[in-house]
Amino acid sequence: NAGVTQTPKFRVLKTGQSMTLLCAQDMNHEYMYWYRQDPGMGLRLIHYSVGEGTTAKGEVPDGYNVSRLKKQNFLLGLESAAPSQTSVYFCASSYFWRESVPRETQYFGPGTRLLVL
Amino acid sequence: KQEVTQIPAALSVPEGENLVLNCSFTDSAIYNLQWFRQDPGKGLTSLLLIQSSQREQTSGRLNASLDKSSGRSTLYIAASQPGDSATYLCAVRRNDYKLSFGAGTTVTVRA
Repeated sequence: NAGVTQTPKFRVLKTGQSMTLLCAQDMNHEYMYWYRQDPGMGLRLIHYSVGEGTTAKGEVPDGYNVSRLKKQNFLLGLESAAPSQTSVYFCASSYFWRESVPRETQYFGPGTRLLVL
Repeated sequence: KQEVTQIPAALSVPEGENLVLNCSFTDSAIYNLQWFRQDPGKGLTSLLLIQSSQREQTSGRLNASLDKSSGRSTLYIAASQPGDSATYLCAVRRNDYKLSFGAGTTVTVRA
């Protein structure tokens, strides 16, 4: 049981290049999330998905796109990278949220460090 | 919009001292509050989760309290050890599945 895995662990891009970050979970979770973490700031939600084939915008979605073609995978794409997208990206997953499961928590991957020059 | 603040940003204590980490939030209409631990270069690990109807949660040397009306939570770590050195993040959940995170408190426990 690997939990939540992220690929790659580290990447350097030049401004204008594109790339895709892959998140995979083996816990059969319905919900998946992409966050970014910047120094001195809390994690901020980029996009999320409440099920296969569905995605929605979070707090800071501009410059990113996502896809969830399979329940276990959640892809984050940068079409034209900018230096402002230098950050650490975290993927997380959780069960379907409902009030009858009070201890529901999100499980996080190890993160991807992205440097845009 | 929910704002979550953690003070101090960094803390250094000698081994054996008790740790007190603070978290405040602006909107008291929360569903629960969670404390996470983050080690350098690693993801987040959930430590304690407190429902809005609860006042505290305990796990081993960790105790978290919640005062929803004043918008505050405190994480206590008793008898700190060098292995407790990490960044501690608090996050609040509204009545949906989104979390609002604080920036974290980085703790160093000196041997």
